[in-house]
Amino acid sequence: GENVEQHPSTLSVQEGDSAVIKCTYSDSASNYFPWYKQELGKRPQLIIDIRSNVGEKKDQRIAVTLNKTAKHFSLHITETQPEDSAVYFCAAFYNTDKLIFGTGTRLQVFP
Amino acid sequence: SAVISQKPSRDICQRGTSLTIQCQVDSQVTMMFWYRQQPGQSLTLIATANQGSEATYESGFVIDKFPISRPNLTFSTLTVSNMSPEDSSIYLCSARLAGDEQFFGPGTRLTVL
Repeated sequence: GENVEQHPSTLSVQEGDSAVIKCTYSDSASNYFPWYKQELGKRPQLIIDIRSNVGEKKDQRIAVTLNKTAKHFSLHITETQPEDSAVYFCAAFYNTDKLIFGTGTRLQVFP
Repeated sequence: SAVISQKPSRDICQRGTSLTIQCQVDSQVTMMFWYRQQPGQSLTLIATANQGSEATYESGFVIDKFPISRPNLTFSTLTVSNMSPEDSSIYLCSARLAGDEQFFGPGTRLTVL
């Protein structure tokens, strides 16, 4: 069925440490995997995405990796800062026309 | 990216009434969607708003409860009908650009008493 699993549900790190969030999808035809950051009371914001023909993509302190064989993709945040604190959602395309979201990870970065 | 606006931003309604939420995009987009987000939860897709035809609803959502219109490529409405307290949630409009990137409106926070 249409399912995106996301772990962990909460993550606490010290400022400057790295954070990793992992997702698993079920549709082998999925070809687009975005990540969203949602601050309290705000709309989800697209922060990075990756397509199935790419294994890794980086944008400054954030990176996403994709393992199509295992149907896993991960978000990596390096040198975390307090402003990185938010809820992060992964998502995957299903039937190439709808975006299904993971359950979310609440990241807290302590100064 | 796309600039998406929604109105109202929030509302408090009595049970049994209906509320229509409007979504406006600043450019023509291929696809528009409506999501629901319960407090502290993830985003659940309600339906795909199809331009010029009936919306495509996800399992658990029906047209009689959530009628959707999309008269053109930049505008859509979602109506929450015959509301009950269980409908209290944040409703988010979303638009997908040609390159698969999908953006969200600011949301409408609905409270049903």
